[in-house]
Amino acid sequence: AQSVSQHNHHVILSEAASLELGCNYSYGGTVNLFWYVQYPGQHLQLLLKYFSGDPLVKGIKGFEAEFIKSKFSFNLRKPSVQWSDTAEYFCAVGSSNTGKLIFGQGTTLQVKP
Amino acid sequence: DADVTQTPRNRITKTGKRIMLECSQTKGHDRMYWYRQDPGLGLRLIYYSFDVKDINKGEISDGYSVSRQAQAKFSLSLESAIPNQTALYFCATSVRGRDGYTFGSGTRLTVV
Repeated sequence: AQSVSQHNHHVILSEAASLELGCNYSYGGTVNLFWYVQYPGQHLQLLLKYFSGDPLVKGIKGFEAEFIKSKFSFNLRKPSVQWSDTAEYFCAVGSSNTGKLIFGQGTTLQVKP
Repeated sequence: DADVTQTPRNRITKTGKRIMLECSQTKGHDRMYWYRQDPGLGLRLIYYSFDVKDINKGEISDGYSVSRQAQAKFSLSLESAIPNQTALYFCATSVRGRDGYTFGSGTRLTVV
């Protein structure tokens, strides 16, 4: 069965701390991988995506993610978080053919000033 | 104006009532999707459409129906609302699989 698992449900960090959010997926065939962010009261916005090429992808606001095919993982990282990064983060995997995305459960990040 | 517009933004309705959530887009995308978001469950796909004549069920379509009135409009209906349909509903559009989605701002639906 196709699925996405985010290991951390709620993460609390102080400003300037490093961030890594885990994402593992189970999916047959060629995958497209995404991280979305949802700021309080807002809709989801694309942070970054991977579909081919360099497995280390860089996104907006200093975020990056690494696709490790052998581990079926696509973890999100940021070297130094800011209070404004407080949000919910969703990993998603999708089909190149249908475009349908399967989302993980989400990780709530709280950054303390 | 937003690329993907959802109306209403908030709605409270009673059990058993029929309700329609509307989504319109100016992106010119063929693919449109309806998801619901519940705390701790992420987003789950209700229905999706590749064009006006191509509509498909998602993983949780029971109790919902959709209508693709035009390339730009995709409506979600709850024929007889029940309390466990209380959720945040998102419409999204895409061009192709590797581009990801453009989301609307969401409709917060409460069924009492």
